[in-house]
Amino acid sequence: NAGVTQTPKFQVLKTGQSMTLQCAQDMNHNSMYWYRQDPGMGLRLIYYSASEGTTDKGEVPNGYNVSRLNKREFSLRLESAAPSQTSVYFCASSENRLANYGYTFGSGTRLTVV
Amino acid sequence: GNSVTQMEGPVTLSEEAFLTINCTYTATGYPSLFWYVQYPGEGLQLLLKATKADDKGSNKGFEATYRKETTSFHLEKGSVQVSDSAVYFCALSDKNQGGKLIFGQGTELSVKP
Repeated sequence: NAGVTQTPKFQVLKTGQSMTLQCAQDMNHNSMYWYRQDPGMGLRLIYYSASEGTTDKGEVPNGYNVSRLNKREFSLRLESAAPSQTSVYFCASSENRLANYGYTFGSGTRLTVV
Repeated sequence: GNSVTQMEGPVTLSEEAFLTINCTYTATGYPSLFWYVQYPGEGLQLLLKATKADDKGSNKGFEATYRKETTSFHLEKGSVQVSDSAVYFCALSDKNQGGKLIFGQGTELSVKP
C-alpha cells in the first residue's frame, strides 16, 4: 500500500546513546516532516523539508538532526538521547509545503530513553 | 502566531449519541482547516478538510463547517459508534505562515456500548 513507512516501530535507548529514525514515502511528495507527540501537547514539529535538498527547524529542534537523503527518504537522528526525548515520533509527507490537501502520516515510532 | 484550541477531553458518550468537539483557531491569514483522527496505536489519518469560509467538510458521517466569523471548525456526528473511539485533532495550514500544519492538543473520545 502506498504511504509513509517508519522504522523502527519501537525502540529503547539508554541515556547518551544515538540512533536514527527512518522514514520513506512512495507518493512522490515534495515535502516531509518530523513531529513528536506527547500527552496533552498535541503534535509538535521538530524539523521539516519543504523540498529535496532543503531542511528547516520547526518548533522543537534541539537535540535532533535530520537528513533529506533523496525525495523519498527523510531521517531523524538523536545524537545523544535524553529522557526528555521519550515520545512517539511521527513522520509525514505532503505534495508541497502549502499542505492544501493535508499530510499523510506514518504509523509512528515509540521511543523510550532510560 | 497561529494556533488551534480544542475542547479538553476525554469525552465519553453512549453509542448513538450526538457528538460535538469544539475547535477554534487564531490565524493571520485565511487558513485551510483539517480534522485528523488517531486510532489506538496508529498514526493520524485525515478525516475531513475545508479550504475556505463556509465550506463544509464531511466524511464517514462526520461534518465540520469553516466559520470565519467565529474562527471555528467544530466537529459533529449525529450518531456515534463504539468504533469512533479515538483521539481527534483539529489543525490549520496557513500559506502566509509557510503552510505547515499546526495542531490542537487533541480530544480523546470514548464511546460506550
